[in-house]
Amino acid sequence: QKEVEQNSGPLSVPEGAIASLNCTYSDRGSQSFFWYRQYSGKSPELIMFIYSNGDKEDGRFTAQLNKASQYVSLLIRDSQPSDSATYLCAFYNTNAGKSTFGDGTTLTVKP
Amino acid sequence: DAGVTQSPTHLIKTRGQQVTLRCSPISGHKSVSWYQQVLGQGPQFIFQYYEKEERGRGNFPDRFSARQFPNYSSELNVNALLLGDSALYLCASSLERGPEETQYFGPGTRLLVL
Repeated sequence: QKEVEQNSGPLSVPEGAIASLNCTYSDRGSQSFFWYRQYSGKSPELIMFIYSNGDKEDGRFTAQLNKASQYVSLLIRDSQPSDSATYLCAFYNTNAGKSTFGDGTTLTVKP
Repeated sequence: DAGVTQSPTHLIKTRGQQVTLRCSPISGHKSVSWYQQVLGQGPQFIFQYYEKEERGRGNFPDRFSARQFPNYSSELNVNALLLGDSALYLCASSLERGPEETQYFGPGTRLLVL
C-alpha cells in the first residue's frame, strides 16, 4: 500500500464547475498536509496547507482534513482553464523529518 | 527576493559517472530538502538538512549523499549513476523545520543518464 493515494485521473471539468481532488494517507504520525499544483515541466507550487481537522478556505480553494479517516481533499470552485495542472497531495511527519507526496491527479478545465 | 535557485538546469551523464547538484535556498531559510521526481510520479524525498545537519533521509541507496554549507546552500551528490537515476531533482527550502513550515521549490535540475 502506498503511503499516499490520490484519486486516479485524469479529471476533467467544465469551466466554472467545482473540481474535487481526494487524498488518503497511511501514516498516522503525519502532522501537516499540503496541496501543491504542478504545471507541466515546472516545479510544484504550494496552494494550501492544513493542520487541523475541518475545512480551510483560501479564495476559490477549500481544503478539508479528517485525521480519523486519514483523508484530505481539495475543492476548487469556479474552475478556470488556468487551473489545469497536476495536483499533488503531501504530508509532513516531523519525527521522520520528511515529506511524502502522492503521484498527483491531473486536472483539465475545459473552456 | 530571489527564490530557490538550482544549478545546473540540465545535465547529461553516462552510467557509472558521478554528479553534483547545487541548491541555494531563499535568503534566511535554514532548511533544505532534496527530492527526486520521475516522470508521472510525485516527488520522492531524499534528504532534509537543517542547520547543516541531516534531519531526515528517504529510502535511497548510499550512492546518494548531501551536505549543507554554513551559508545554508546545499549539494546533492550521486555516485555510480544508473539509468534509473534519470529524473528531475528538486530542492526545496523552508525557514525552519517542522510541520508548519512551508516549502518553496526551486526549478529543478533535469538529469539524464545514458
